[in-house]
Amino acid sequence: EAQVTQNPRYLITVTGKKLTVTCSQNMNHEYMSWYRQDPGLGLRQIYYSMNVEVTDKGDVPEGYKVSRKEKRNFPLILESPSPNQTSLYFCASRNVGVLRGAGELFFGEGSRLTVL
Amino acid sequence: QQQVKQSPQSLIVQKGGISIINCAYENTAFDYFPWYQQFPGKGPALLIAIRPDVSEKKEGRFTISFNKSAKQFSLHIMDSQPGDSATYFCAASYSWGKLQFGAGTQVVVTP
Repeated sequence: EAQVTQNPRYLITVTGKKLTVTCSQNMNHEYMSWYRQDPGLGLRQIYYSMNVEVTDKGDVPEGYKVSRKEKRNFPLILESPSPNQTSLYFCASRNVGVLRGAGELFFGEGSRLTVL
Repeated sequence: QQQVKQSPQSLIVQKGGISIINCAYENTAFDYFPWYQQFPGKGPALLIAIRPDVSEKKEGRFTISFNKSAKQFSLHIMDSQPGDSATYFCAASYSWGKLQFGAGTQVVVTP
């Protein structure tokens, strides 16, 4: 089954304790991205990657890191989490075709993070 | 600063009624306008999408209307059903760019 898998789905942590949210896709997509969803703000892009070893900042990258060492994986790293990073996080992927910005985004089921 | 403005934030509609969600954008370079549907506890999923060379696209009970001159597009859900209760996001992008999402609309369809 084609899917984007995120782990953990739920996490409660404390300020300053490094954490990693993993993301893996089995559709051989070149493009992967992380979003955070907050009430009234919709989906805001944190980082994206057009291919292996190619990553770039989205709209709200502060406090986050990413890496893309393999095509299928795109982990999100919070080096020193703070309470304002409490949010619902989504990983997504899609093909990069002729119309590079267009095309269906496939989302994971989300990771709800609480930072105390 | 959101590049795509979506309204209303929420709406309640009776079963069989019409749900209408509106979005407006500023960037005239946008050329792809999708709508995503999100059920509680799930990630968003593509519902329907339109390009600016057409003014309307219909898929089943879901219709996108697009007004290029006004820089607006809308989603109409005809004969709304309780199973349509979800959060709907409009979005826009240009071909080489990233999707910009609206703030979302929570739709509740009452029996």
